[in-house]
Amino acid sequence: NAGVMQNPRHLVRRRGQEARLRCSPMKGHSHVYWYRQLPEEGLKFMVYLQKENIIDESGMPKERFSAEFPKEGPSILRIQQVVRGDSAAYFCASSSQESSYNSPLHFGNGTRLTVT
Amino acid sequence: SQQGEEDPQALSIQEGENATMNCSYKTSINNLQWYRQNSGRGLVHLILIRSNEREKHSGRLRVTLDTSKKSSSLLITASRAADTASYFCATGNQAGTALIFGKGTTLSVSS
Repeated sequence: NAGVMQNPRHLVRRRGQEARLRCSPMKGHSHVYWYRQLPEEGLKFMVYLQKENIIDESGMPKERFSAEFPKEGPSILRIQQVVRGDSAAYFCASSSQESSYNSPLHFGNGTRLTVT
Repeated sequence: SQQGEEDPQALSIQEGENATMNCSYKTSINNLQWYRQNSGRGLVHLILIRSNEREKHSGRLRVTLDTSKKSSSLLITASRAADTASYFCATGNQAGTALIFGKGTTLSVSS
């Protein structure tokens, strides 16, 4: 039973390019969360999605960032026109129900984005 | 803003000793969860304690919850080098839609 799969593990982009991060949740999980982690920091919540719906994007920067979780295929976190400050580890997590209600999150091993 | 804050930020102990980490939070909760993160990896869920529970055990882990003080503690007994990791507490956000994590406690266990 595969866990949460994220790819790529490492991504290098030049300033101004686009970054696409992919996440396949655990089988049977319909709730997906994206978090960002800076060095020596905790995880910052970005967005919560269910299939074809964005439920909470309160942690997502208003510009350049978008997320989707289509009916078929992985969830995608897209960062347009990347800047050096976007360099971080991006983690995806999934759960069988809303995570704040008695449901643990299952995390992938993250995508480490480096913007040069 | 952070919901949970762990204390201490860093902890260094010898194998066999116990490690205690604390977490304080600000608003009312349904439950509180603890996670571990090994270097370069994703977080792994350790234990979930509900708001009506005061203590919970899982192997060498013991978690307590004091809702009157809005605090929780994680105790790892008889620590091992493999316990070296960062430990995070997490509670639900005000909208009840996501978990919010603290900055974590970095535990180093030397043999």
